[in-house]
Amino acid sequence: DAKTTQPNSMESNEEEPVHLPCNHSTISGTDYIHWYRQLPSQGPEYVIHGLTSNVNNRMASLAIAEDRKSSTLILHRATLRDAAVYYCGGTTSGTYKYIFGTGTRLKVLA
Amino acid sequence: DAGVTQSPTHLIKTRGQQVTLRCSPKSGHDTVSWYQQALGQGPQFIFQYYEEEERQRGNFPDRFSGHQFPNYSSELNVNALLLGDSALYLCASSITSGAYNEQFFGPGTRLTVL
Repeated sequence: DAKTTQPNSMESNEEEPVHLPCNHSTISGTDYIHWYRQLPSQGPEYVIHGLTSNVNNRMASLAIAEDRKSSTLILHRATLRDAAVYYCGGTTSGTYKYIFGTGTRLKVLA
Repeated sequence: DAGVTQSPTHLIKTRGQQVTLRCSPKSGHDTVSWYQQALGQGPQFIFQYYEEEERQRGNFPDRFSGHQFPNYSSELNVNALLLGDSALYLCASSITSGAYNEQFFGPGTRLTVL
């Protein structure tokens, strides 16, 4: 399986915006792109999802490239509670097989 | 709503033994997926159950098997345990008819194989 890739780690200052990228060329063109985050000793938690156009919710925004081979999760004002590992993910080639990205560990500096 | 629950939280086994992990999905959810997460890695898809059948399988050997019951709860069985099976095992539930199939995850079962 081709990998869905993300930077290993990123840092942000508190109250600053954060852009977390993901390359996901293997996620099916008709299936949603999801983002989850995982705190230590917990299961992943849903953040946001999108299909083709940019999306906003109370937690974050999601910008999806026109060719759908990449997307960017945007946290508008990072807080200390946003420190977590962020995963992009989706199903592949119209199957039910779910692929998570390699994950980005976000560190937020006070 | 209790959300997704998993049991046990921790488990220690020795090589060659067999283990059964259990999952209760979120109320109203009919689909259960299992993932293996090694330390420092992202979750890897093991399989998905829907209508008491394995609907999709990831790249895992036949030593990994599962079951879904009429109440939608599920079990993951692993036979002939190897040291490399040590990981956090996550269960996720979702609604098959949902528009975007958001998954809700349990806290996981930490399996250590000695």
